[in-house]
Amino acid sequence: GAVVSQHPSRVICKSGTSVKIECRSLDFQATTMFWYRQFPKQSLMLMATSNEGSKATYEQGVEKDKFLINHASLTLSTLTVTSAHPEDSSFYICSARDFAASEAPLHFGNGTRLTVT
Amino acid sequence: GEDVEQSLFLSVREGDSSVINCTYTDSSSTYLYWYKQEPGAGLQLLTYIFSNMDMKQDQRLTVLLNKKDKHLSLRIADTQTGDSAIYFCAESPGGYQKVTFGTGTKLQVIP
Repeated sequence: GAVVSQHPSRVICKSGTSVKIECRSLDFQATTMFWYRQFPKQSLMLMATSNEGSKATYEQGVEKDKFLINHASLTLSTLTVTSAHPEDSSFYICSARDFAASEAPLHFGNGTRLTVT
Repeated sequence: GEDVEQSLFLSVREGDSSVINCTYTDSSSTYLYWYKQEPGAGLQLLTYIFSNMDMKQDQRLTVLLNKKDKHLSLRIADTQTGDSAIYFCAESPGGYQKVTFGTGTKLQVIP
């Protein structure tokens, strides 16, 4: 089945630094990937839609200069949290859909737990 | 906008059946999904159903869809302690459209 790999699984960084999270589709090509954020005991909030070879589409209220998304290839999207602050601490999850498949559910990575100290 | 709602908590005894319910508002929903999330992990796709289907069964899992009432349910037969997790209902119009998630139902299985 479709596999989405996300790295790192856990990262701790100091306030003011930047952190990059990678999301890879391992056995399929994904022209579109999605980045979600999840606060403790809450549902997933879509942050942005990452489109291969073009700019990401951000949801309302998400700062595009703070959460930089790059989708340079059909199998890799990255999310960079710039100048991180403690309020950016959260669980970030990427997902992708195999659009070549006739039925295309969304598959998720295992998430990245970001802690900003 | 789209809205997906679930009850927050469900507790069942091991061996019983669990039924997790979900309601949605978007009449253009084409795909309806159930995901499982264990602590500290990402989301695992359990099953999904198209809006032109009423029921889908996959081993211990049965999904029922009442499109008229916009109600989706997930039944887990012979619930095991390993089924303890948060279950998310989600919907999408399909294609490149975004997926909207419910609030999640925490399933607790009592041995």
